[in-house]
Amino acid sequence: SQQGEEDPQALSIQEGENATMNCSYKTSINNLQWYRQNSGRGLVHLILIRSNEREKHSGRLRVTLDTSKKSSSLLITASRAADTASYFCATEDNAGNMLTFGGGTRLMVKP
Amino acid sequence: ETGVTQSPTHLIKTRGQQVTLRCSSQSGHNTVSWYQQALGQGPQFIFQYYREEENGRGNFPPRFSGLQFPNYSSELNVNALELDDSALYLCASSLTWDSETQYFGPGTRLLVL
Repeated sequence: SQQGEEDPQALSIQEGENATMNCSYKTSINNLQWYRQNSGRGLVHLILIRSNEREKHSGRLRVTLDTSKKSSSLLITASRAADTASYFCATEDNAGNMLTFGGGTRLMVKP
Repeated sequence: ETGVTQSPTHLIKTRGQQVTLRCSSQSGHNTVSWYQQALGQGPQFIFQYYREEENGRGNFPPRFSGLQFPNYSSELNVNALELDDSALYLCASSLTWDSETQYFGPGTRLLVL
């Protein structure tokens, strides 16, 4: 079963616009991670935020975490056509040995 | 490039057959996890191996089994294949069992007819 839901399931924007994806989860977590996947290939780790952190930045990425609402958001600023991919959130529980993924957001950035 | 490789890249099998998928972890990583990703869905955790022993299992039946070898390679075996086993199978290596970061391979796409 999947831990959480991602919203929206699909997003289409123009190059230069910002893209925001949301993730909700159900149980207590150790950390939450965001991954990117191009065309059904392997997953690329983007950013990790720990349960005691509220916001984190990495280049054009900004992640927020609200443990009281069990939700996270990923913001990609100034999007590029190369950002076109599926984005997944994944939570690591306190046992620390598995990731539970959401269903993903399919982002299309039009040039 | 994550340094994690998988073989084969694609595979077609018939229902009832058995399949072995292979993964080569990053050197020095003693933990490997396997995930199944059905089309249009997020990956689901199958199991994890740490120092050649199973260290956690998701909601998958016993016909899904694995092996991990001292040379940082590992296998996922699936017996009595069913149509619903058609998916992308991903392995991910990590430095140790509770490392925060897992490094994913490119996956093996299995089609069961």
